[in-house]
Amino acid sequence: DAKTTQPPSMDCAEGRAANLPCNHSTISGNEYVYWYRQIHSQGPQYIIHGLKNNETNEMASLIITEDRKSSTLILPHATLRDTAVYYCIVKGAGGTSYGKLTFGQGTILTVHP
Amino acid sequence: GAGVSQSPSNKVTEKGKDVELRCDPISGHTALYWYRQRLGQGLEFLIYFQGNSAPDKSGLPSDRFSAERTGESVSTLTIQRTQQEDSAVYLCASRKQGPNTEAFFGQGTRLTVV
Repeated sequence: DAKTTQPPSMDCAEGRAANLPCNHSTISGNEYVYWYRQIHSQGPQYIIHGLKNNETNEMASLIITEDRKSSTLILPHATLRDTAVYYCIVKGAGGTSYGKLTFGQGTILTVHP
Repeated sequence: GAGVSQSPSNKVTEKGKDVELRCDPISGHTALYWYRQRLGQGLEFLIYFQGNSAPDKSGLPSDRFSAERTGESVSTLTIQRTQQEDSAVYLCASRKQGPNTEAFFGQGTRLTVV
């Protein structure tokens, strides 16, 4: 599986956009980029995923660079409840790693008033 | 049920005892995962089931750990002769068949070995 690199922590003011970067320079052509978050003491929560095109849903937007070596998760109007650890994952696409989800250390996002 | 259910939510056991942790995935989800999360740490992959078989057991930390799944449904993670370093939250997730489906996580079982 391709490895991902994320900054260990980021801050964001409430109401502003939070832009969380992720590098995945060894990603393969058929691997998807997934984002999850984990709020304290809860199980991880799915946010969004994409392959090549930018994606948007009710929670966030995902911007993937043309070469697919990096991506950015955007929370357009961060709230205090968005404070969490955000994980960027590249999902294995074949063999015994098919479907395997490997979590790195993630980015601790702190949204402050 | 509506989501992934894990039981018990909390378990305190004495060192050396065996424990069984249960995961009920979302109905129809063919893939099932177990993770371990120690206090203040990230998620550590343990094992992955596709149907009832486990193509990837690479994360099981020792032969004290085993898992099984039956009926493409419930899964049990068993830890034998528990040690204090086994104390952690054990998380289960399930996912539908397909290359780009999302995983849904349970709330975990908090295991404390005393």
